[in-house]
Amino acid sequence: QVQLVQSGAEVKKPGSSVKVSCKASGGTFSSYAISWVRQAPGQGLEWMGRIIPILGIANYAQKFQGRVTITADKSTSTAYMELSSLRSEDTAVYYCARGRYYYDSSGPPTDYYMDVWGKGTTVTVSS
Amino acid sequence: QSALTQPASVSGSPGQSITISCTGTSSDVGGYNYVSWYQQHPGKAPKLMIYDVSNRPSGVSNRFSGSKSGNTASLTISGLQAEDEADYYCSSYTSSSTLAVVFGGGTKLTVL
Repeated sequence: QVQLVQSGAEVKKPGSSVKVSCKASGGTFSSYAISWVRQAPGQGLEWMGRIIPILGIANYAQKFQGRVTITADKSTSTAYMELSSLRSEDTAVYYCARGRYYYDSSGPPTDYYMDVWGKGTTVTVSS
Repeated sequence: QSALTQPASVSGSPGQSITISCTGTSSDVGGYNYVSWYQQHPGKAPKLMIYDVSNRPSGVSNRFSGSKSGNTASLTISGLQAEDEADYYCSSYTSSSTLAVVFGGGTKLTVL
């Protein structure tokens, strides 16, 4: 049974960047997407973006375009999410999640659902 | 403002049934059968409960069921148990140009 193991909590200054990792343990990324979802304190879930490692395709929510970069290293089954120009509103728990999807080259991927989640990484942005 | 609309809270007594609604548009819930539901206990990661509108992953109790009519999806929990008390989020694929996955704002289920 695959598990997603995320890196530890981070405390960052406003204006800096953070990079969170997500490693598949007990399995690989093959045939799956990896999405990043964040949850601010007391708030709901917010989809940030997704990468399909086997295709090398990454898509981002418009809200985060230009500030977020999602990458994946197939050799180590590890995905990364880097968020730059941090501000206090970015304080949140960041989750990675394995996703099922459909893709053919005629259009963008279709995301079905996220069936395995990491435990989350707390990122605190404070001066 | 969340893209999908859920009630902020619902409640029920043990043994009763409750339904949580999730309203979107023809660009998401109404246009595709890719609605999923997640359960989240405090301090924990979300857990997939329903996928593709009405399918249960292995290991999820058959007390949980999903359906859809038009632009509104629903999650029904029958035979409520104390451990069902949690936050529930719906999600859908969206053909919006601004993102690919949308979530509802979440519903707090209280078991009285």
